[in-house]
Amino acid sequence: AQSVTQLDSQVPVFEEAPVELRCNYSSSVSVYLFWYVQYPNQGLQLLLKYLSGSTLVKGINGFEAEFNKSQTSFHLRKPSVHISDTAEYFCAVSEAKGAQKLVFGQGTRLTINP
Amino acid sequence: IAGITQAPTSQILAAGRRMTLRCTQDMRHNAMYWYRQDLGLGLRLIHYSNTAGTTGKGEVPDGYSVSRANTDDFPLTLASAVPSQTSVYFCASSLKMNTEAFFGQGTRLTVV
Repeated sequence: AQSVTQLDSQVPVFEEAPVELRCNYSSSVSVYLFWYVQYPNQGLQLLLKYLSGSTLVKGINGFEAEFNKSQTSFHLRKPSVHISDTAEYFCAVSEAKGAQKLVFGQGTRLTINP
Repeated sequence: IAGITQAPTSQILAAGRRMTLRCTQDMRHNAMYWYRQDLGLGLRLIHYSNTAGTTGKGEVPDGYSVSRANTDDFPLTLASAVPSQTSVYFCASSLKMNTEAFFGQGTRLTVV
């Protein structure tokens, strides 16, 4: 069965600084990978996903992530953050074949300081 | 607007009472899920359904039950609420089990 580890529970950064949120997964088969964002008092929204093809995936709000199969990672990056990016970010994985459900990481709280 | 609707948005419930959280989707998705979100624990899967008529247990199913009589609805029932079930509950759906999930806005439940 697959699993996901988000290495940082909290990440504080200054506005306009770059940020990287780390995600590592474990699976013995091919995977699909996802990043979700949760703004305060809201549900989760999909930021981006990797299904196949190019390993660099671009999402909404200027975020991107790179799938690295050898390192089993799917880190999320943004070159310049805004106050409005303050939220909780979740990485998720599922098996590319079969009927396995999404497995979520425990989340990373991104706080942007002015 | 297509999506997932959860009701109620919040509820305070006396311990020992029965409660059903409602979830409806209009995207004709096959799979539906119930998660609970607790501080420091992320999202934990309670129950899921691959397709109408089938359900399965997630990580934390004890004290909860679900049914999937049709494609659109996936209610979650707490038969006899306990304070440890105080949480924010999210319903989600996806076209298939391994594809991206779409989430409702959540139900904040407090059991006192």
